[in-house]
Amino acid sequence: QSVLTQPPSVSAAPGQKVTISCSGSSSNIGNHYVSWYQQLPGTAPKVLIYENNERPSGIPDRFSGSKSGTSATLGITGLQTGDEADYYCGTWDSSLSAGVFGGGTKLTVL
Amino acid sequence: EVQLVESGGGLVQPGGSLRLSCSASGFTFTIYSMNWVRQAPGKGLEWVSYISNSGSTMYYADSVKGRFTISRDNGKNSLFLQMNSLRAEDTAVYYCARWHGSGQFQDYWGQGTLVTVSS
Repeated sequence: QSVLTQPPSVSAAPGQKVTISCSGSSSNIGNHYVSWYQQLPGTAPKVLIYENNERPSGIPDRFSGSKSGTSATLGITGLQTGDEADYYCGTWDSSLSAGVFGGGTKLTVL
Repeated sequence: EVQLVESGGGLVQPGGSLRLSCSASGFTFTIYSMNWVRQAPGKGLEWVSYISNSGSTMYYADSVKGRFTISRDNGKNSLFLQMNSLRAEDTAVYYCARWHGSGQFQDYWGQGTLVTVSS
């Protein structure tokens, strides 16, 4: 059981938009930055979004992040088949003094 | 270019020990905190441990507390994870990741090393 809650799967057609939610509490998302990671099959995770809504260099602006209270959302527009991957949210939890991740969301581009 | 290369994984019997290493290059290792994150086969990411840049502060997931020890050698740009009393549920790919302190996220990841705990 993950500290952060994500939907197990989402799907959409190529070119469409999808959002992935991440729900937590005041000890984690509510008081800390949220980051999002993309994990393509057989590879290590890669950061897509950090500090709630910032993109590292090289990450296209099709990827966006937002945070409100104890929840965060990853948005992906203009879906491509290459976006099929597992997506994870992550943050720090002050009560646990530990890093925490969501359970992951598998994106299928139909 | 930032590079993190893990090593030391392998097959170990339940109750056994293993020491993972992570060799860092392409950045000033001494100013960054580091993490270990693991992923069981077919499962999601699980944060395992954190160590500050000086090595003076460590944190652990409850699932490994008392069994795993994180350490670092700043002179050799290396991070370690000593794993004792291993259990079947510790079977996973273990990733070394650099910690971005102000943003509180793992900004660079290694390719991972597989640890299999089985008799």
